[in-house]
Amino acid sequence: GIQVEQSPPDLILQEGANSTLRCNFSDSVNNLQWFHQNPWGQLINLFYIPSGTKQNGRLSATTVATERYSLLYISSSQTTDSGVYFCAVERLTGGGNKLTFGTGTQLKVEL
Amino acid sequence: GEEVAQTPKHLVRGEGQKAKLYCAPIKGHSYVFWYQQVLKNEFKFLISFQNENVFDETGMPKERFSAKCLPNSPCSLEIQATKLEDSAVYFCASSQWVAVFHEQYFGPGTRLTVT
Repeated sequence: GIQVEQSPPDLILQEGANSTLRCNFSDSVNNLQWFHQNPWGQLINLFYIPSGTKQNGRLSATTVATERYSLLYISSSQTTDSGVYFCAVERLTGGGNKLTFGTGTQLKVEL
Repeated sequence: GEEVAQTPKHLVRGEGQKAKLYCAPIKGHSYVFWYQQVLKNEFKFLISFQNENVFDETGMPKERFSAKCLPNSPCSLEIQATKLEDSAVYFCASSQWVAVFHEQYFGPGTRLTVT
């Protein structure tokens, strides 16, 4: 199956700092989504981004499908950004339409 | 509705008992997915449906797990004879194909604890 690797596994930031999270995948994909799992366990959709660049407030994401990676940028981080960030991909062929998740980046934002 | 709904939020079962989880997809979405989150960061795909038909069941442990999506009813995931290793959060997601776009939206999950 497709492999999805995220880095870094853990990240601690001071409030106001910027960060970049990376997602590498091992095969061509049809779909790529970024999620934030908050401390209550809820999975929040951040971006649906199989290719290109999108921005939503302090967050932006870029996927370079030909090079099999995606980046999530968080600017001016706030304590409410804490939680786990997951990248999930749908393989282009032979994968049905299920998502394969990476192992996540655990982010803690401190005052 | 506008969100994926899952019930119950929490479920506690003794080993060997049956567990049944429910999911109502977003109105108009024709695809339903079940995922299992074991430990903190590990997601496993279980099964997907296109309307009431099984679309992909490659992740289902078939001996004890079954799932259905019937017309005009919430979808369900049932575990017969639960084991300690079934303790996990079970997420349901739904999506709709619009041109080539099919973003999946997740419900709040059901936390199953097997004692």
